[in-house]
Amino acid sequence: DAGITQSPRHKVTETGTPVTLRCHQTENHRYMYWYRQDPGHGLRLIHYSYGVKDTDKGEVSDGYSVSRSKTEDFLLTLESATSSQTSVYFCAIRAGLGEKLFFGSGTQLSVL
Amino acid sequence: QKEVEQNSGPLSVPEGAIASLNCTYSDRGSQSFFWYRQYSGKSPELIMFIYSNGDKEDGRFTAQLNKASQYVSLLIRDSQPSDSATYLCAVIRNTGNQFYFGTGTSLTVIP
Repeated sequence: DAGITQSPRHKVTETGTPVTLRCHQTENHRYMYWYRQDPGHGLRLIHYSYGVKDTDKGEVSDGYSVSRSKTEDFLLTLESATSSQTSVYFCAIRAGLGEKLFFGSGTQLSVL
Repeated sequence: QKEVEQNSGPLSVPEGAIASLNCTYSDRGSQSFFWYRQYSGKSPELIMFIYSNGDKEDGRFTAQLNKASQYVSLLIRDSQPSDSATYLCAVIRNTGNQFYFGTGTSLTVIP
């Protein structure tokens, strides 16, 4: 699992509530990523980080914010969850020779 | 135009056959190419990566890259039922930090 832990693994919440997903890594990798995966759309990048306090938007960043105050933790926040944000969320780190992506186990989020 | 395109399938092959999966990409500046395997309900797992034109072999897997035609392919020889999964193609541009994924091709190997 490349030392990546996502929490929670499953979350059910109501529309309009804030939600924070956590990604934790144990190997001091510089780059961390948040993706969402939906049928017919594949994996789409939400935000990524290239260092502490350094983040950038991906292709589907609207409605999401991120923070990285420590190298090991990358947080994804849905300020006010909507049903369209029901998805599987994957965290990934970039590591290894050639800088490949390795994924966490994912978080299944349902917004009712 | 999507960054990465794959035929969604489903692709079915008999056990022992060669499975051929294809992927095209739109940005000629793409430099690195990856194949991931994803079992249902699991996270994507890296199985192959390739940077240079030509073929790269690893066990039963061969990745093929043709930058002039902007396509990447994955061949799985002696296909096994355990190869049944969705295969995702990914690319990263020469100038960026973003990995772009195709929507995946579903492969079923029939015993």
